[in-house]
Amino acid sequence: GQQVMQIPQYQHVQEGEDFTTYCNSSTTLSNIQWYKQRPGGHPVFLIQLVKSGEVKKQKRLTFQFGEAKKNSSLHITATQTTDVGTYFCAGDSWGKLQFGAGTQVVVTP
Amino acid sequence: GAGVSQTPSNKVTEKGKYVELRCDPISGHTALYWYRQSLGQGPEFLIYFQGTGAADDSGLPNDRFFAVRPEGSVSTLKIQRTERGDSAVYLCASSLKWDIGDEQYFGPGTRLTVT
Repeated sequence: GQQVMQIPQYQHVQEGEDFTTYCNSSTTLSNIQWYKQRPGGHPVFLIQLVKSGEVKKQKRLTFQFGEAKKNSSLHITATQTTDVGTYFCAGDSWGKLQFGAGTQVVVTP
Repeated sequence: GAGVSQTPSNKVTEKGKYVELRCDPISGHTALYWYRQSLGQGPEFLIYFQGTGAADDSGLPNDRFFAVRPEGSVSTLKIQRTERGDSAVYLCASSLKWDIGDEQYFGPGTRLTVT
């Protein structure tokens, strides 16, 4: 079955620095969604990518979908303390989301 | 408007007992999903409903788990003969319709602890 892997598992970032987290699927995805979960909270939808090679930006966040639609990345620039949380990618299989294990982001002031 | 709500927020039960977890989706959302999240892991799909019917229950781990959505709104996840391994946060989500790429809105979850 479909498997979604995320790396790194943990990301320690100095405030103001940039970082990237990666998502890889064992199968071609119809689309991919990204969610953010704050400590003690629930997943909150960030964005979905549908087209091969698609790039979308949300302020300091840049999301990319690979040409083969099997991988995706999230790049955050000028990290802020509000970026703390776990970022999940989720492959969409006919409405059923297959989540990766997430990248837990810790920001050092 | 109101988001997805789940009750109870916490549930502690003894091994072997029966529990029911409730989910109230966003009004008008036809699709409803149940996930289970263990510490340090992403949500794991259990089941989803389109309207009243279970469209896909392939994620239910075994026959001790069952979910219903009799009127196409509120859903209840039922777990029989609970085991310690069932301890996790059970998340419910809803979306406007069942479709590829539809944004899912998650509730706060029910933390189930089986002692």
